Amino acid sequence: DIQMTQSPSSLSASVGDRLTITCRASQNINNYLNWYQQKPGKAPKLLIYAASSLQSGVPSRFSGSGSGTDFTLTISSLQPEDFATYYCQQSYSTSFTFGPGTKVDIK
Amino acid sequence: EVQLVESGGGLVQPGGSLRLSCVASGFTFSSYTMHWVRQAPGKGLEYVSAISSNGGSTYYANSVKGRFTISRDNSKNTLYLQMGSLRAEDMAVYYCARGEAVAGTNWFDPWGQGTLVTVSS
Repeated sequence: DIQMTQSPSSLSASVGDRLTITCRASQNINNYLNWYQQKPGKAPKLLIYAASSLQSGVPSRFSGSGSGTDFTLTISSLQPEDFATYYCQQSYSTSFTFGPGTKVDIK
Repeated sequence: EVQLVESGGGLVQPGGSLRLSCVASGFTFSSYTMHWVRQAPGKGLEYVSAISSNGGSTYYANSVKGRFTISRDNSKNTLYLQMGSLRAEDMAVYYCARGEAVAGTNWFDPWGQGTLVTVSS
């Protein structure tokens, strides 16, 4: 199975900060990588699919990049509503593995 | 509005069974692959199972293979997850999600609100 890792596992940031979260796959997954945001007690929400495509309705401060094994999610200017946990997911294989998550909280 | 609503969660004893349902609305249910994903309390997301649009193909994570069965009734716009031989480690919020696919890549959107399964004696 394809394993996914994320770094950091958690971070503290301030409103207005530029944030980068990294996701790494255990093998080449081309651009088959998605990012989700989850707030406490809520279902995950799709942010980015196919590594860099912004889901409709998602603010443009979110962006994704990468291919192969290394990917990043960037938030250009952190807003109060962005404090949440972020998960990457590979869709290269039908195991659809998720990363362990990155929790973003307020500094 | 595209919507998924899960139900059927609850308290079950170890070794017991439970059937989850996910009712879809706002889109042509029969055209989409559907998925189940779970999240244990305080933990991350774990992929559970998938079923193709016509129900002809299914996939299970190793952790549930042989114990869980995914199915769908396209006439009722409903997805199911029959869970058997339940263990403490199956305790989680279970989400259903619609699968989208373009040019070989897949993603899940939207997700239901989730239903909690508690396994305890």
